[in-house]
Amino acid sequence: GNSVTQMEGPVTLSEEAFLTINCTYTATGYPSLFWYVQYPGEGLQLLLKATKADDKGSNKGFEATYRKETTSFHLEKGSVQVSDSAVYFCALRSAGGQNFVFGPGTRLSVLP
Amino acid sequence: GAVVSQHPSRVICKSGTSVKIECRSLDFQATTMFWYRQFPKKSLMLMATSNEGSKATYEQGVEKDKFLINHASLTLSTLTVTSAHPEDSSFYICSARESSTEAFFGQGTRLTVV
Repeated sequence: GNSVTQMEGPVTLSEEAFLTINCTYTATGYPSLFWYVQYPGEGLQLLLKATKADDKGSNKGFEATYRKETTSFHLEKGSVQVSDSAVYFCALRSAGGQNFVFGPGTRLSVLP
Repeated sequence: GAVVSQHPSRVICKSGTSVKIECRSLDFQATTMFWYRQFPKKSLMLMATSNEGSKATYEQGVEKDKFLINHASLTLSTLTVTSAHPEDSSFYICSARESSTEAFFGQGTRLTVV
């Protein structure tokens, strides 16, 4: 079946540091890939997505590139801020599918 | 972007009582709604998928008689936790989508059963 694996953290960085959160997936066909962010006490918000190989999703300084050859969708940001502290979930939705499969989430803490 | 409103955001109930959680799509018609449960420091686990006007499809291991899902209109789905027990305490999140677009998530409901 489909699955998503991501580094579980927690990840603690200083402000303005470079962020990478690794995400790899297992799926048949060509799934769509997503990163969601969950701030404390809140639901999930879509951060970015990519629907086909080599697509790059980007938003709020975050980027992730859909790599079919390595089945990866790593999240990166060049300079994190304290306000980026949250839990980040990598997810996929299979082609033609309805529901999402989520990774375990990575808690990021950014210190001033 | 589209808005999904979930209510209440927090609820505390006594063991043995029932609790209803509402999920509304405010600016689009949600042909499909999903209910997830999130355990502390864990990922989201899909509980059930519901299509408007149809019975919900439950994931393996989810008790359909305990977690009643109703999707009576294109903008509203409800999850009722019946005869709640402390082990039902959790964070419940709904999501909704139109026929061919991405899904949008509600803000979640933290249920505490005492």
